[in-house]
Amino acid sequence: QSVLTQPPSVSGAPGQRISISCTGTSSNIGAHSDVNWYQQFPGTAPKLLIYDNNNRPSGVPDRFSGSKSGTSASLAITGLQAEDEATYYCQSYDSSLSGSYVFGTGTKVTVL
Amino acid sequence: EVQLVESGGGLVQPGRSLRLSCAASGFTFDDHAMHWVRQAPGKGLEWVASISWHSATIAYAGSVRGRFTISRDNAKNSLHLQMNSVRAEDTAFYYCVKDKGADGYWHFDLWGRGTLVTVSS
Repeated sequence: QSVLTQPPSVSGAPGQRISISCTGTSSNIGAHSDVNWYQQFPGTAPKLLIYDNNNRPSGVPDRFSGSKSGTSASLAITGLQAEDEATYYCQSYDSSLSGSYVFGTGTKVTVL
Repeated sequence: EVQLVESGGGLVQPGRSLRLSCAASGFTFDDHAMHWVRQAPGKGLEWVASISWHSATIAYAGSVRGRFTISRDNAKNSLHLQMNSVRAEDTAFYYCVKDKGADGYWHFDLWGRGTLVTVSS
């Protein structure tokens, strides 16, 4: 079951800025565990989008950015493009669950 | 080419067993921890199990602990998941996933395409 909470959906017009929240607890995000973000298109495997809270792998456009504060994290997309329509998942590590990696509930981004 | 290719999925009856495999190529396999992550059709991601580079550290999600066993063969660049006593709720796409680090606790930087396991009578 998902331990990190995300909004089910977020939408925006092309060119706009959107933000996706990821809310955790003191045993995961709040325990100084890093947050990673993954992007998944329908019928394909997830892909790493942001790692260690705010770092982009090679090839990820700089319109994607991440941040973390307290027990929450956020993914921002500036200059939203049609190709950004996908589902986004946050992920961290939970110290209260033996050896457990936890994912967010997932957010479907729709470009209007 | 850097890739992970899963195999072994299919239809299995409740209570029976299935063994998934993952072939790794294009990177130094024994430099990295590996994971299995699953996704029920139309649902979110769920971490299943992880194994460190030298198999010394192994962990399981509570939902599969005692039924599933993760293992690796560094000589053959392969990862496995032995699934015993499967249940309907184990129906999902199973992804083989590479960790950035050797002991885990980093991030999942390479994913396979997944293999579908369907548990049904």
